[in-house]
This record gives sequence, structure tokens and C-alpha cells, in this order.
Amino acid sequence: NAGVTQTPKFRVLKTGQSMTLLCAQDMNHEYMYWYRQDPGMGLRLIHYSVGEGTTAKGEVPDGYNVSRLKKQNFLLGLESAAPSQTSVYFCASSGRTSGSPTNTGELFFGEGSRLTVL
Amino acid sequence: GESVGLHLPTLSVQEGDNSIINCAYSNSASDYFIWYKQESGKGPQFIIDIRSNMDKRQGQRVTVLLNKTVKHLSLQIAATQPGDSAVYFCAENRESSASKIIFGSGTRLSIRP
Repeated sequence: NAGVTQTPKFRVLKTGQSMTLLCAQDMNHEYMYWYRQDPGMGLRLIHYSVGEGTTAKGEVPDGYNVSRLKKQNFLLGLESAAPSQTSVYFCASSGRTSGSPTNTGELFFGEGSRLTVL
Repeated sequence: GESVGLHLPTLSVQEGDNSIINCAYSNSASDYFIWYKQESGKGPQFIIDIRSNMDKRQGQRVTVLLNKTVKHLSLQIAATQPGDSAVYFCAENRESSASKIIFGSGTRLSIRP
């Protein structure tokens, strides 16, 4: 199993350009997340999804859009990139507790996507 | 608002000693907490979790303690090894919102030989 795979791993953008980060998981997980990590700031939740076709805002959603058209994929879009969006982006997924509708809370992370906006 | 924070940004420990990493949280409604370890250049990895109906939970060489009275949790690592060098995050999962997992700012643990 590949687990959680993020593409691309590195990208350099100019201010105003758009791009999409792709996250794919092969664990049949219900929940998927996008975080950004800046130095000294820890991980901040951008958007998350509790199932196919659903998305929700996290702590820092402005400037980003997401889509979960298929259960295994969670896309993060930047419509008009800004230097403040220079960061490392992590995708994660988690599954349901056995016999319960609740999230286990155990996130499986991808290796990260380093984005630089000039 | 919600916040999960840490007392110390860095911790240096002698190899073989025990490490204690602390975390404070402000949301009294939080009832599930998780510790993650992040090695350089990698994504975070799950270490151990604890629910609010527990005070203590043990894993392999790790113990998490939860003090709901003062909204504090800690991660104890026994007999710290060089491979324990990493950044450690506590995270909060509010069951009432199902899946909104919020991370603290992290503590960097370094091991002295």
C-alpha cells in the first residue's frame, strides 16, 4: 500500500498563478485533511472532508479551495497564489473507529508538498 | 477560540534519560487528544492518543498523562534514544465536530550523547 501520496512534491509559482495539489489515499479512509506548516507555526488546518462530496473549512481556509469528488482523492486549489502561501502543505487521512461512526483521530500523513510563491 | 499550545519550544535530553513534553489546551470541551512525532523532512506520525475519560495511557516506551483540571497533557518518553529526536505535536480532536483536528505549535526534542 502506498498510503497517502501527494503530488507535486515541489513547485515554484509566480504571484497570481493558480495550481492544484493532489492527495490520494488507498486506505479507504473517510476523512481527509489539508494542513500547511510554516516555521514555528506548527500545522494549521486549511480544509477537511468527512466523506466523498463533502468539504469543510479549517482554521485558515482563505485563498484555498478544495474538492472531494472521489473518496480516495482530495484536491487543494490555489486560485491566485500569494507569497504568504509559501509553505509546506501536508495531506492526511483517517478512518472510522471500528463499530463507531466517529473518527479514530489517527492521521496518516503524506510526505508534504513544498510550495514557493515568488 | 480553540487553541492547543506547548510550554517549551525546545527540549534537550541526555540519551537514556526520560523526556517529558508538555502541552496546554484551552478548550474545555475537547475530549480526545493525540500526540504526533515529526522527523525532519517527513510528515507527522501518530504516537499515542488519550480520551478525556482517562488520566493515563501507556504505549511502548511512551506514556500520556491528561489533567483535565488544569487542561494539560504530557508525553513521557522512557529511556530516550537518538531516534527519538524529532518535533512532537499534541493535537486535539473535538468529537462534537467529529473530525476537526487542531495541532499545537510543537516541541523540538534533541538528544545529547
